[in-house]
Amino acid sequence: GAGVSQTPSNKVTEKGKYVELRCDPISGHTALYWYRQSLGQGPEFLIYFQGTGAADDSGLPNDRFFAVRPEGSVSTLKIQRTERGDSAVYLCASSLGTSGNDEQFFGPGTRLTVL
Amino acid sequence: AQSVSQHNHHVILSEAASLELGCNYSYGGTVNLFWYVQYPGQHLQLLLKYFSGDPLVKGIKGFEAEFIKSKFSFNLRKPSVQWSDTAEYFCAVTQFSGGYNKLIFGAGTRLAVHP
Repeated sequence: GAGVSQTPSNKVTEKGKYVELRCDPISGHTALYWYRQSLGQGPEFLIYFQGTGAADDSGLPNDRFFAVRPEGSVSTLKIQRTERGDSAVYLCASSLGTSGNDEQFFGPGTRLTVL
Repeated sequence: AQSVSQHNHHVILSEAASLELGCNYSYGGTVNLFWYVQYPGQHLQLLLKYFSGDPLVKGIKGFEAEFIKSKFSFNLRKPSVQWSDTAEYFCAVTQFSGGYNKLIFGAGTRLAVHP
């Protein structure tokens, strides 16, 4: 596909469980971002990858959250011991990564519900 | 820390009415400014952006925004709205650093246009 894709589109889990959320960026985009959007709020930055490395993870709320991008393309956001407060839409965006002025293209998001 | 304020959370207009959505940010240095739009059932997409130069920026679908540095504002305008403009609008700011843009979003304004 031409755009950023995210799977699953919806995820319902129970408190305490582990979840993985996947992001497929636009082909050729080296920069990848994760954001979290809680109900009634704008997206909040979580982490930024340039290639395989996490260049800025300052937005991860605590050590239950972790993200990887082992081959510089697909990224997985991992949440351990989920809590009800983790319920939100998790957005992924990618950009060319050649310049700070590159446009970020957003995926449709994964809606996570923790019961 | 940077923050973005969008003063109107919900706006209801009739078709052909004029639109102005307020956005203020809190950072005194050089910033990049954006407006994103999310149509019902779709993902976030860029409406327009300001990096430098002419403070009056024109975007897609007849939208424009004016950067007023002295007021730390970047208000979005459209002279005559259409029913298809019904969507949620997000203002965002970044401080360019290290070759990437970490977007800081406002809480969003939900616009409903009645025919």
